Amino acid sequence: NAGVTQTPKFQVLKTGQSMTLQCAQDMNHEYMSWYRQDPGMGLRLIHYSVGAGITDQGEVPNGYNVSRSTTEDFPLRLLSAAPSQTSVYFCASSYSSVTSGNTIYFGEGSWLTVV
Amino acid sequence: QQQVKQSPQSLIVQKGGISIINCAYENTAFDYFPWYQQFPGKGPALLIAIRPDVSEKKEGRFTISFNKSAKQFSLHIMDSQPGDSATYFCAASKPGAGSYQLTFGKGTKLSVIP
Repeated sequence: NAGVTQTPKFQVLKTGQSMTLQCAQDMNHEYMSWYRQDPGMGLRLIHYSVGAGITDQGEVPNGYNVSRSTTEDFPLRLLSAAPSQTSVYFCASSYSSVTSGNTIYFGEGSWLTVV
Repeated sequence: QQQVKQSPQSLIVQKGGISIINCAYENTAFDYFPWYQQFPGKGPALLIAIRPDVSEKKEGRFTISFNKSAKQFSLHIMDSQPGDSATYFCAASKPGAGSYQLTFGKGTKLSVIP
């Protein structure tokens, strides 16, 4: 199992450009989410999905768009990149069990620089 | 409004010593408190987690202490090793649909020196 796979690993964008960060999981998890990590800020939730066809906003959704057409994939779209969106982006998926609670698995991250 | 406050920002511990990281939360609806470990260039990985019905949970050298009345919880790393050098994040989530949405502290960079 690959777990949570993110692409690309690194990307440089010009202000105003759009792009999509890809995320795929092979664990058949219903729940997926996107976080951004900035120095000294911890991780902040951008968008999440509780299943195919269902998405909702997190703490910092502005400037981002998501869709969930399949259980496996959860792409994050930057509509018009701004320097403030320079960050490390993490995709996560999770499941819930009676014994272990909610276990959230993170991808390796995508480093995005907007110039 | 920062719902989970973490301290210290950075910590230097001698090999073999005890590392202690503290977190405080404000929202009494939180009912799940995980700690994540992150190495440079990698995603966070779940280290240990606790629910408020217990005051302590231990897994190997890692222990979570939980004080519900004070709304505080802490991570203790016993016999700290250089391989423990990483950034540690505390987090919290609510029950039900909120259980999948983590609110993170800002992180503590731990350096264990030989």
